[in-house]
Amino acid sequence: AQSVAQPEDQVNVAEGNPLTVKCTYSVSGNPYLFWYVQYPNRGLQFLLKYITGDNLVKGSYGFEAEFNKSQTSFHLKKPSALVSDSALYFCAVRDPPTGRRALTFGSGTRLQVQP
Amino acid sequence: EAGVTQSPTHLIKTRGQQATLRCSPISGHTSVYWYQQALGLGLQFLLWYDEGEERNRGNFPPRFSGRQFPNYSSELNVNALELEDSALYLCASSSEGLMASTTDTQYFGPGTRLTVL
Repeated sequence: AQSVAQPEDQVNVAEGNPLTVKCTYSVSGNPYLFWYVQYPNRGLQFLLKYITGDNLVKGSYGFEAEFNKSQTSFHLKKPSALVSDSALYFCAVRDPPTGRRALTFGSGTRLQVQP
Repeated sequence: EAGVTQSPTHLIKTRGQQATLRCSPISGHTSVYWYQQALGLGLQFLLWYDEGEERNRGNFPPRFSGRQFPNYSSELNVNALELEDSALYLCASSSEGLMASTTDTQYFGPGTRLTVL
């Protein structure tokens, strides 16, 4: 069974500093990886995805993620954090199109950006 | 372009009752997915509908069911409500048709918060 792990419940960073939110995955085939963000009392907003191709994926709001096959990681990064980036971030892995198509989510990491 | 919409925003029921949650996908999307976000349990896949049929379900009992209408909107029904059904229910849609060979993004609605008293 496929899974993702987000080892940090919370990440604290000062505004203007770079941020990293960690994610590692376990899949039996090719990984289909996603990052979503959830603001309080809201649904999930899509940030970016890795299906194939370049290991550095660029997404919305200045976020990017680095896919590392040897370390089975897909860490989310941003060069300069904003207070408005404070939210709950979820990494997810998905079945291929021929499978269940379910997203399997990590437990989430709360990002707190201090002014 | 309008996103995924869900109604109602909040729903309060008592134990044993039935709840009906509704979802309208993004225009042009045929696949609808339901997820449960319960405190302490995280986000869990519930159901996938495409072309009016249930295509797959997660590890949930049969009292969680639903349907998809010809316009691709969907309903989630939860029968015989239990206290632990209290959660945020999220609907997502994608343009990935039944015979798709490439992976598309699932876009989520704002959710329905179900409270069971």
